[in-house]
Amino acid sequence: AQSVTQLDSQVPVFEEAPVELRCNYSSSVSVYLFWYVQYPNQGLQLLLKYLSGSTLVESINGFEAEFNKSQTSFHLRKPSVHISDTAEYFCAVTPTRDSSYKLIFGSGTRLLVRP
Amino acid sequence: GAGVSQSPRYKVAKRGQDVALRCDPISGHVSLFWYQQALGQGPEFLTYFQNEAQLDKSGLPSDRFFAERPEGSVSTLKIQRTQQEDSAVYLCASSLSTGVEQYFGPGTRLTVT
Repeated sequence: AQSVTQLDSQVPVFEEAPVELRCNYSSSVSVYLFWYVQYPNQGLQLLLKYLSGSTLVESINGFEAEFNKSQTSFHLRKPSVHISDTAEYFCAVTPTRDSSYKLIFGSGTRLLVRP
Repeated sequence: GAGVSQSPRYKVAKRGQDVALRCDPISGHVSLFWYQQALGQGPEFLTYFQNEAQLDKSGLPSDRFFAERPEGSVSTLKIQRTQQEDSAVYLCASSLSTGVEQYFGPGTRLTVT
């Protein structure tokens, strides 16, 4: 079985400051990793994913995450946040050999960007 | 193109009532998933369809929950004799047959009073 831990339920940060949202996972098999973002009253949107290859993945809006297999982590970072980045962020995994690729989510981290 | 749509967006039910939640996946997407998201929590897997076949229903919390996708497109999640603990946002997602990436709908917020 897999599990995902997001230790920080809320992260307050000032605009233009850097931010890191932490994600650790537990799995006995290889997994794919994802970060999803959820804006108020909206569904989940894929922010970025790690499937294979380079362990550093980037999104189009300046976020990046690095897969660290030895530490079983997939932390999300952004060097300078905007007010519009305020949202709930979910880390998720799915086993690479799962027939359905159903997602196992963490409990989420609310990023609150203040002016 | 159109994304995943869900209806209704909000549903209030009295305890004991039956409810039906609808999901319209992206056209051509073979896989369809239902997730339940309780307040302040991450989504939890309920069930998975590949076309019309329900291949995994291991996440359905009780036999009061039933899902179908009879023609391999639209799906309905039915909850019988609703209880207060059923209050949550129900998310639907779809993906291509070989795709790992899932596309989510806006969800249906169910409140059981």
